[in-house]
Order: sequence, then C-alpha cells, then structure tokens
Amino acid sequence: EVQLVESGGGLVQPGGSLKLSCAASGFSFSDSAVHWVRQASGKGLEWVGRIRSKANSYGTAYAASVKGRFTISRDDSKKTAYLQMISLKTEDTAVYYCTRWGTSTSDAFDIWGQGTMVTVSS
Amino acid sequence: DIQMTQSPSSLSASVGDRVTITCQASQDINNYLNWYHHKPGKAPKLLIYDGSNLKTGVPSRFSGSGSGTDFTFTISSLQPEDIGTYYCQQYDDLPITFGQGTRLEIK
Repeated sequence: EVQLVESGGGLVQPGGSLKLSCAASGFSFSDSAVHWVRQASGKGLEWVGRIRSKANSYGTAYAASVKGRFTISRDDSKKTAYLQMISLKTEDTAVYYCTRWGTSTSDAFDIWGQGTMVTVSS
Repeated sequence: DIQMTQSPSSLSASVGDRVTITCQASQDINNYLNWYHHKPGKAPKLLIYDGSNLKTGVPSRFSGSGSGTDFTFTISSLQPEDIGTYYCQQYDDLPITFGQGTRLEIK
C-alpha cells in the first residue's frame, strides 16, 4: 500500500524541540521529494519546507516563518524523512503533514500522511 | 511570495448543484496550479493538477480551468461526500503557497 505515516508529535514547551518522522511505503521513496505542510486549528494549509532526492542533491528549502529553526532531513535506507524543530513557538502549534511531490504522473502533492499534532504550550 | 486568493471562503449548496470556486494568483503562475480536497481529520487529497488535469481515479464531476492568474474549480453535480474544504496551490515559485480555502457544506 502506498502511504506516508507521520509520528513524533506531542506537547512541548515554548523554546523546546521536537523531531517528527515520516515513514514511507509502497513507492520509490529515494526518488521522491518530501515536503512538510502544516495546519493550525481553524486555519488553512501552510507549506513548511521540502527536501529533494539524492539525484537533486538533497536540496532543502523552507518557509520564512521556520527558516533557521526547522531542518528537514531524510534517510533513504529507512525510507523515512524527518522534521527537526527547535526554538518552538506557540504559533508552531499545528497538525503537521508530510507529503510526496509527485513528478512522474503529476507535479503536485499526490501522497499525504494522516498528520501528527504538535502543541507548543507552557 | 505569490499570494493565492480563493473565493468564496465558504458556500452552501444542495446535492446535484453545480459549484464553482475561483482562485486568483498575485502574478502569472502559468498553469502551475493544483486543487485539493480536505476533510477534518483526514489527509488532503489531490483532485486536479496543472490547472485542468484530473488525477486518475478522481470522479469526472470535478474539473479545473484557467491560466495565468485566474483559475476555476467546478463540481458539476454536488454529492454528499464532497463536503469539506477545497484549496488551490501554486508551485510556480517557492515558497509554495495555498489559497485560504473554501469550506463547502450541503444545504
């Protein structure tokens, strides 16, 4: 089955750190770019950042709101991508989704995980 | 950043109605525009890519059109399972940006 499964969410204090994981199955993970998208309660979808494949030098890019605080990485041998978050702020509270950027059939987010909740609160 | 403006922000329609959502980009994005459907607690789903291409397996009642800065998403005959929020998304340039969403409910 083609899927992405996020894990690692939870409650963290402002200024704290958290690392999310995104485990892939059912498709060629190593050939795929992985993005993270978040949704705060009552708000719309917000792009967080992405990591490209080895063929594209594992290039990363981030939204201005998280640049310098969030780092995306991947381990192709484990078919897993990660979102390391430091210096967390209350406004980072959201459901975090990992998603694949499909290029062979469609230039779009064609596979999504179910999301993992991150709550930043004291 | 490219701003994506969706309208309406919410709408209520009856089963069988034709529903139209518009999305306007702050600059020319060619056809680099996708549409997604999102239900609470679920993963978003891709419906339309590159402005007008229907993803395989998506019902033909969904369609997209437009180019440049103005795009339209249409449901030709609304079904109960179509409730939720619809988003447009551009990928002409980073950062990738989404419209604010259109919440669709059944009358």
